[in-house]
Amino acid sequence: GAVVSQHPSWVICKSGTSVKIECRSLDFQATTMFWYRQFPKQSLMLMATSNEGSKATYEQGVEKDKFLINHASLTLSTLTVTSAHPEDSSFYICSATGTGLSYEQYFGPGTRLTVT
Amino acid sequence: GEDVEQSLFLSVREGDSSVINCTYTDSSSTYLYWYKQEPGAGLQLLTYIFSNMDMKQDQRLTVLLNKKDKHLSLRIADTQTGDSAIYFCAERIVGNNRKLIWGLGTSLAVNP
Repeated sequence: GAVVSQHPSWVICKSGTSVKIECRSLDFQATTMFWYRQFPKQSLMLMATSNEGSKATYEQGVEKDKFLINHASLTLSTLTVTSAHPEDSSFYICSATGTGLSYEQYFGPGTRLTVT
Repeated sequence: GEDVEQSLFLSVREGDSSVINCTYTDSSSTYLYWYKQEPGAGLQLLTYIFSNMDMKQDQRLTVLLNKKDKHLSLRIADTQTGDSAIYFCAERIVGNNRKLIWGLGTSLAVNP
């Protein structure tokens, strides 16, 4: 149980376009979802925390207008990278935690974004 | 502030034990975790330990927690080539909306 999926698993987009990444909890209600960014051979950088039905809380240095996060339901959160640039190319990972899952974040498989 | 540190690399021979170490600074941590990440993949929770425990064993994995020294270790017995991955230590702090503080990860290379 406690499976998190991400879609797409990889995406290539042109500079200036926007791309949306979906994160779904498949078999539990995700009251809180987290979005991370990971650069090659580096640790996870938390971008934002979103609670269902509320605005996301962004970490310092993360542009909220550039990385739009929506968590409108208990099973779906989306991250939209607006006006993407090559420096936004990265591995984006979401995780989720929910009621009764107090000790663990369940991670999605990640989305590889390449901006050309 | 909140900080988690790990050594970046570890190389062992197949069949040997691996010990990955982690230190943290925040004494209000509630849970401490070890996650495994294989190349190009997401993170897999390996094991966790509650902050009032000293040790936890789960098959080939042994977690030791020294709360006084704020030191956490992960021992993998009989290390196999399939254990080659990056291992992340993370701590969860009281009342922090379940946010995790992450180490940079230890890259484990298992040589045949």
